[in-house]
Amino acid sequence: RKEVEQDPGPFNVPEGATVAFNCTYSNSASQSFFWYRQDCRKEPKLLMSVYSSGNEDGRFTAQLNRASQYISLLIRDSKLSDSATYLCVVTTEGGGADGLTFGKGTHLIIQP
Amino acid sequence: DTAVSQTPKYLVTQMGNDKSIKCEQNLGHDTMYWYKQDSKKFLKIMFSYNNKELIINETVPNRFSPKSPDKAHLNLHINSLELGDSAVYFCASSQLDFKNTGELFFGEGSRLTVL
Repeated sequence: RKEVEQDPGPFNVPEGATVAFNCTYSNSASQSFFWYRQDCRKEPKLLMSVYSSGNEDGRFTAQLNRASQYISLLIRDSKLSDSATYLCVVTTEGGGADGLTFGKGTHLIIQP
Repeated sequence: DTAVSQTPKYLVTQMGNDKSIKCEQNLGHDTMYWYKQDSKKFLKIMFSYNNKELIINETVPNRFSPKSPDKAHLNLHINSLELGDSAVYFCASSQLDFKNTGELFFGEGSRLTVL
């Protein structure tokens, strides 16, 4: 089983809709969780952290379910500019070369 | 000013050649990294390096070698390039507590094409 798994998509969503996608992780000892955003042919950038109690940043809501080992990202009132690949990132003490593992990303396309 | 800058942005070369990609960060960060993103968009750590320690991903061929002249620079040298080395290589930097903040600062990437 891969360490961090995401549905690659693409998710085609009409502008203004709400969209959500998940990321599952295999290591129950994983400590911290984040969502990154990567625009086409650009570098990844941190979107938001994911806290145990769930957290919101404007139209974006991130949640963590430790029991089922997944995190989620929900985008409300989607904008054309939300089109991007969303990468799930998990940190694990001693995991990998730097303890930070990226998922392959979920490609989101917002359609007018 | 660009926080993490890498050059060249595009590199096209023949199999068997040796090439280098340079990276500089002006954020005063302690740790720098090289990531490889292949055609399937999988972002994979190659190296992480700070003043004290080089951590190498064991799956990286020894044709790849990082070189750090100082804390603000981490260059990537690749010997005997192969077709499978074609990818986008991202340099990144972070503070020591990045596992709490989750924040890596990436350069814009260097797109390597091996013919």
